[in-house]
Amino acid sequence: AQTVTQSQPEMSVQEAETVTLSCTYDTSESNYYLFWYKQPPSRQMILVIRQEAYKQQNATENRFSVNFQKAAKSFSLKISDSQLGDTAMYFCAFKSNFAGGTSYGKLTFGQGTILTVHP
Amino acid sequence: NAGVMQNPRHLVRRRGQEARLRCSPMKGHSHVYWYRQLPEEGLKFMVYLQKENIIDESGMPKERFSAEFPKEGPSILRIQQVVRGDSAAYFCASSPWVERDRLQPQHFGDGTRLSIL
Repeated sequence: AQTVTQSQPEMSVQEAETVTLSCTYDTSESNYYLFWYKQPPSRQMILVIRQEAYKQQNATENRFSVNFQKAAKSFSLKISDSQLGDTAMYFCAFKSNFAGGTSYGKLTFGQGTILTVHP
Repeated sequence: NAGVMQNPRHLVRRRGQEARLRCSPMKGHSHVYWYRQLPEEGLKFMVYLQKENIIDESGMPKERFSAEFPKEGPSILRIQQVVRGDSAAYFCASSPWVERDRLQPQHFGDGTRLSIL
């Protein structure tokens, strides 16, 4: 079974600064997807960024980028030019791409990191 | 294109009652997933359904919980004889036919906050 670990329960950053959220995972599979979701106080789950494991190039979405280290099973999220609206809980998630596996289709989430952006 | 619709947003039940949570997937999505989020925790997978078919229910508690996704109508998560420990936010997500685009992320509804008195 896959596991996802976010070792930082809470982080804080000043507005306009850069912050990096950590995520590690454990799997025996070679083909999978990784996601970062954001959950603001409204409790919606909002997709921030996604990465395919077979792609070496790190995904980027505007101010959000990832550092994907497949050998180390690490998938960190970097937020540049932090904004007050980035304040939220951030979840790292894993999704298997192995159709014969028991984890196919479902997302496995980490425990989350609460990010607070200060003015 | 409407997103994933969950209702009700908030549901209050007394111990021993039944709770029914509804989820209408996004248009064109045939896969539905239910997740539970306990206070201060991450989301935990419960069940994965296609129309009229349960694909994976490995995250469902063995008793009192059931889920369905009928041919017509929304997916229903049913909790019988609720207890205080069932208090949580229940999220539904949907995705298109997986084989067509496996990278397609799951789109989440706003959740149902279940409170047990």
